[in-house]
Amino acid sequence: AQTVTQSQPEMSVQEAETVTLSCTYDTSENNYYLFWYKQPPSRQMILVIRQEAYKQQNATENRFSVNFQKAAKSFSLKISDSQLGDTAMYFCAFKYSGTYKYIFGTGTRLKVLA
Amino acid sequence: GAVVSQHPSWVICKSGTSVKIECRSLDFQATTMFWYRQFPKQSLMLMATSNEGSKATYEQGVEKDKFLINHASLTLSTLTVTSAHPEDSSFYICSAQSPGPRGTEAFFGQGTRLTVV
Repeated sequence: AQTVTQSQPEMSVQEAETVTLSCTYDTSENNYYLFWYKQPPSRQMILVIRQEAYKQQNATENRFSVNFQKAAKSFSLKISDSQLGDTAMYFCAFKYSGTYKYIFGTGTRLKVLA
Repeated sequence: GAVVSQHPSWVICKSGTSVKIECRSLDFQATTMFWYRQFPKQSLMLMATSNEGSKATYEQGVEKDKFLINHASLTLSTLTVTSAHPEDSSFYICSAQSPGPRGTEAFFGQGTRLTVV
């Protein structure tokens, strides 16, 4: 079965610093999507960034970027210039291409310190 | 991005009563919606897949008679917690898929906090 593992339950980072959240996954398929979602205290799930497995280039969205290592099945999220508003729970998620079902990791609680 | 609205945001009900939670896709049609349950400080646990015009598909261990799902239109799915008990207290989240130029992408409702007293 597919699994998504986030090995860091909690992390903290100083404001303006950079932090990396790790995520590994297990699949035997070749076509899939990976996502990072943010869940702030409001509990609203917000898409941060997505990566198509067939793309070698790492996705980037402003201060957020990923390090996608397909062979290693690793998908880490880097947050640069951390802001207080980045404080949230971050979930890594996996979805096969052509399906609707998402598989979420256990989450990493990130706290940005002033 | 697309908007998914969930109502109510929070509800308190007495043990033994039923509670209905609505999930609406406001600006797109969603043939498939998903219902998740989230315990405090834990991940989202998929409960069921709601398909417009057909029966929902429940994940293993989820009681379909307890959590009734209806997806009567392309923009509305409802989750009814029947004969609620305190152990049903949780945060429930729906999501809807929107096919688009970047492939299917999930958009989430704001969640419903259910407290059964």
